[in-house]
Amino acid sequence: AQTVTQSQPEMSVQEAETVTLSCTYDTSENNYYLFWYKQPPSRQMILVIRQEAYKQQNATENRFSVNFQKAAKSFSLKISDSQLGDTAMYFCAFMGQAAGNKLTFGGGTRVLVKP
Amino acid sequence: DAEITQSPRHKITETGRQVTLACHQTWNHNNMFWYRQDLGHGLRLIHYSYGVHDTNKGEVSDGYSVSRSNTEDLPLTLESAASSQTSVYFCASSEGLAGVGETQYFGPGTRLLVL
Repeated sequence: AQTVTQSQPEMSVQEAETVTLSCTYDTSENNYYLFWYKQPPSRQMILVIRQEAYKQQNATENRFSVNFQKAAKSFSLKISDSQLGDTAMYFCAFMGQAAGNKLTFGGGTRVLVKP
Repeated sequence: DAEITQSPRHKITETGRQVTLACHQTWNHNNMFWYRQDLGHGLRLIHYSYGVHDTNKGEVSDGYSVSRSNTEDLPLTLESAASSQTSVYFCASSEGLAGVGETQYFGPGTRLLVL
């Protein structure tokens, strides 16, 4: 079974600065997908970014970008120019072909953006 | 606008009672999923469905059941509620047309307390 590990339970960052969240995963598959979801205090799960493993180019979505290192099985999220609205839990998730369309989530990282 | 809704948003029940949590999506998605979220565990898959009359067990399915009689709804039933089932429950859906890798869209969650 795949496992997803987020080693940083909590992180804080000053407004306008950059923060990087780590995520590692364990799989024997070659084709898979990786996701970052944001969960603000409202509890709503919001997709931040999606990466296809067969694409070497790192995905980017406005101030959010990933560093996907397939050989290292690492998928970190960088939040640039942090804003107060970025305060949330962030979850890394894995979706492999063998498991169909099911997601396996990491335990989450709580990010606090300070003014 | 298409959306995914859950009801109730909050529920308090007693040990041993049967509880049903509703999930309704208007995207006409084939795939629907139920997760539970507990502190330190991220989200874990309870049950999922790839279409009408299709249901499958997830990682933590004991004590839960689902049925899929139409495309829009996937109700989750706790047969005999236990205190260990106190959690936040999320429903999600995805298109189910493109194979693996589709983004899942989440409902707002239901907070369940079993006394």
